[in-house]
Amino acid sequence: GAVVSQHPSRVICKSGTSVKIECRSLDFQATTMFWYRQFPKQSLMLMATSNEGSKATYEQGVEKDKFLINHASLTLSTLTVTSAHPEDSSFYICSALPSGNYEQYFGPGTRLTVT
Amino acid sequence: GQNIDQPTEMTATEGAIVQINCTYQTSGFNGLFWYQQHAGEAPTFLSYNVLDGLEEKGRFSSFLSRSKGYSYLLLKELQMKDSASYLCAVRDREAGTALIFGKGTTLSVSS
Repeated sequence: GAVVSQHPSRVICKSGTSVKIECRSLDFQATTMFWYRQFPKQSLMLMATSNEGSKATYEQGVEKDKFLINHASLTLSTLTVTSAHPEDSSFYICSALPSGNYEQYFGPGTRLTVT
Repeated sequence: GQNIDQPTEMTATEGAIVQINCTYQTSGFNGLFWYQQHAGEAPTFLSYNVLDGLEEKGRFSSFLSRSKGYSYLLLKELQMKDSASYLCAVRDREAGTALIFGKGTTLSVSS
């Protein structure tokens, strides 16, 4: 089956620093990737839709200047959390949608802790 | 906008059958998905319904009624490893190919 990887799996950073999370589709090309955030015991909240070669579409309430998304190739999207604060601590999950497919494939997630 | 409702928690015993319901409201329905998620892990795909009726896949089945805005996930012959969160997600034409997730149902299977 299709595989999506995320790196890093866990990261701890200090308040005010920036963190970059990578999402890669390993064996397929994905024109569209999605970024979700999940707080403990809550469901996945869509943050943004990332299309290769174009600007990401952010959901209402998500600050685009704080959560920078780059989808530079058909197999890689990155999420950069800028000037991180403790309230940004969460589980960040990406998913990738192969062209012409209906099923999204999820990465294993990145646990971000901001101290 | 979209609204998706499912029960917060359910319990069942090994070998039993459990049905997890999901109701949704969306203006441009374009498919419903069920995912399983174990704590600290990414969701894994279980089923996809876009037309009315029942989709069966092994121990898991999913049903959709578009006129009622209703779906259920049926799990048969429950096993301890089925203890997880089950997420109902809807795709809406307004949102393109993105999925909007419900809050999830935490299923606990006991022996």
